[in-house]
This record gives sequence, structure tokens and C-alpha cells, in this order.
Amino acid sequence: EDKVVQSPLSLVVHEGDTVTLNCSYEVTNFRSLLWYKQEKKAPTFLFMLTSSGIEKKSGRLSSILDKKELFSILNITATQTGDSAVYLCAVGASGTYKYIFGTGTRLKVLA
Amino acid sequence: DSGVTQTPKHLITATGQRVTLRCSPRSGDLSVYWYQQSLDQGLQFLIQYYNGEERAKGNILERFSAQQFPDLHSELNLSSLELGDSALYFCASMRGQQGSDEQFFGPGTRLTVL
Repeated sequence: EDKVVQSPLSLVVHEGDTVTLNCSYEVTNFRSLLWYKQEKKAPTFLFMLTSSGIEKKSGRLSSILDKKELFSILNITATQTGDSAVYLCAVGASGTYKYIFGTGTRLKVLA
Repeated sequence: DSGVTQTPKHLITATGQRVTLRCSPRSGDLSVYWYQQSLDQGLQFLIQYYNGEERAKGNILERFSAQQFPDLHSELNLSSLELGDSALYFCASMRGQQGSDEQFFGPGTRLTVL
């Protein structure tokens, strides 16, 4: 059965710290891996990683995909209180139309 | 603002009742996905439509049904509601239909079943 596992479940850090969030997957015919940030309501898109784009960076956030070891990490440097959120990882597969989401990592950044 | 709209924002109803949640995708997006998110749970995929046709089903109960109309808006119908159906229901839209596109999420409908 396809599955996506995120770790840790929860993380509390202080402003300025660097955090690494993990997402491992077992999905047949992997096509893409997406990272989302969910604050109070709807998830908002951060990155999409595919075979042709295994590393993405935007400001203090960066992500890499290891297709051999079947995982991705999301790095946030110089964290700010505004980074406090649940970070979701989702995997899409070829030949299917659904995305499988992990349960998320809850990040709390203290001032 | 993602461009995806959902109504209503909140819905409080009693067990045994039936409700309809509505979603309008972003302009030009043909795919609509429905997800359920219970307290402290990840997003559970329910069902996906592409250009009016059902394409994929996830963990959707038989009491739940959905459809996508010619104008591409979608409705999720939940019947014989139980306490455990209380959750946040999201719809997301996407330009294409397979797992290589970004999904844009609506603000969600919070359903409370009393």
C-alpha cells in the first residue's frame, strides 16, 4: 500500500534556529513530491520536486529529493515565528490521479 | 487567495442529516479534489474529478458522494451524518489531472455534527 511518512511529528525551536523536516515515501510509479505549509486553514504550496527537479530553494526554505532512498527534506534556516505551521508532504504517482499526504510536521517557533 | 472558493465556511448540523458542500475551482482548472481533515489528522483523499468525470476514489464512505458540473464547480454530498464526520473539508483544484501539478486549496468548510 502506498504511504507517506513525515517526521518528526512535532518540533519546537527558537527564532534563528535551522530545522529539517523529513518525508519518506513508498509509492508505486513516483511522479512528484510536493511540500505545503498549513497555518490556520488551507495548505499553501511551497515546492514541487520531480525527477527533473530534485532541488528547490526559495528564500530561507529549501528542499531536496532523493529518489534512490525515497525521501525528501525541507530545510528552513533562520526560522521566524511566522514559520510556525504544519508542514505537509504529498506524493503523486504516474497513472493515478490522487495525491497521498503525510500527517504533517507541526513546527512551533518561539520568539 | 488561491482562487478556489468553498461554501459554506462553517456548517453545524445534527446526526442523521444530509449536507452539501460546494467548491468552485480556479479559472481554467479542470481537476477538483476533495479531502477530509479531522483533528490532528493529515489530509485524507476522498475523490477526484476531471472535466466532469470521476477519476479517482480514495477513502470515501458510501454515505458520501460528489459530482462535478459542466461549469466545473463541484459538490460533495454527505448523508446520514455521524459525529465522526465532523472535520474540515477541503477542495483543491489543478490544471491537469495527474500527479505532476500543483494543487491549489480552497479555504475549507468546517463541518460540525452534533
